[in-house]
Parts: sequence; structure tokens; C-alpha cells
Amino acid sequence: TQLLEQSPQFLSIQEGENLTVYCNSSSVFSSLQWYRQEPGEGPVLLVTVVTGGEVKKLKRLTFQFGDARKDSSLHITAAQPGDTGLYLCAGARSSYKLIFGSGTRLLVRP
Amino acid sequence: NAGVTQTPKFRVLKTGQSMTLLCAQDMNHEYMYWYRQDPGMGLRLIHYSVGEGTTAKGEVPDGYNVSRLKKQNFLLGLESAAPSQTSVYFCASTGTGQETQYFGPGTRLLVL
Repeated sequence: TQLLEQSPQFLSIQEGENLTVYCNSSSVFSSLQWYRQEPGEGPVLLVTVVTGGEVKKLKRLTFQFGDARKDSSLHITAAQPGDTGLYLCAGARSSYKLIFGSGTRLLVRP
Repeated sequence: NAGVTQTPKFRVLKTGQSMTLLCAQDMNHEYMYWYRQDPGMGLRLIHYSVGEGTTAKGEVPDGYNVSRLKKQNFLLGLESAAPSQTSVYFCASTGTGQETQYFGPGTRLLVL
């Protein structure tokens, strides 16, 4: 049973376009994290959101945590080829365990 | 400061063979994890450890065993490999009070 559903599973866009990735659950999480993974490497943390309704910006990336702390979104403005990778959301159910989503594979074409 | 390292990077096994994957971290982290990553499935937790000498089952523990004899090392064992265990295995660690998990580069395992 996948507790965290990510959509879309795959996204191929042209450089300069905007995109949004969604992470949804029926469960409440104490916090939610977004990781990015490049081929042949392990995931690397991008951001952690903790408070319902919280919005965090990381350059061209905007992360939002839903008011009920069940869902989150990642918006990328003016995507660049360097944004290509697998984006994973992960919800924290305890202080040391994470539940990972199935991932969104992003390809940004030059 | 190497972070989290994994050995080997790649391995091919025949059905029924055994092997051990080694994870080492130099950040003095209490918590360590083994995940497997399969296409379209994200990361699934196999086993984890909350401290030296302790281990616990995760979401998909069957067919795997682990040991944490030293704080810095977390070993994942396959006693009798099956084709269904073909996957990429990631080790991760985190410290007390932290939620960020630091991942190793992964071990790609192919079971024929």
C-alpha cells in the first residue's frame, strides 16, 4: 500500500516551462520532505516543511505543505536541464522514520 | 568526511547465493536504514536500526537480515538470493532529533 501518491509519474518539458508535482496522502504527517535523486546517486534533501500551509522557496523551486498536513506540492519556475532528475516526497510519521512516495521523474529538454 | 558509503557498488548473484551489503557512516548518527528502490515504487524500508546493537523490521523485511554490531556500520544480508531481490539498495543514516536522512550512493544487485 502506497501511503504517499505522487503525480505525475513522469514529466517531459521544454526548458523555460513551469511545472508542478503533487504529493498526496490520506494520512497526516508531522513534516514532509522533498528529495531529488540523480542517476546513479542517492536522494539528496531539498527542503523540509513542517507547518500546515507553510510555503518555502529555494531559488526557482517553491514547496507548499497542505493546511491539513496531508499533501504537498513542488512548483518549478522556468525549468532548466539541470533540474532533470527523480523527485521524491517523504512524510515523517515519527521522529526517525520516513514514508516515501513513488517519485516523479522529470526531464527538461534544452 | 565521507558521509555514507556503500560496498559493493554492483553485484551479480545466482539464485540461492548469499551476500552481505555493507554500509558505513562517519557522522556518528544513531539511526541507520536499508531501503530498496524499484521502478515506480519509490523507496521501501527493509530494516532499520535506532542504535548500536538494535534492529527492527521495516515495510519489506522478508528474505533479508541485518546487523548493527558497531555504531558506524549497518550490514544487510541475503541468505538465499531470489530474482525478486533484484533492485537498487540504498543505505541512509540520521542523527538524533534530525529528520533529514543522508543516503549512500546505492548498490545495484542483479539476481539471475
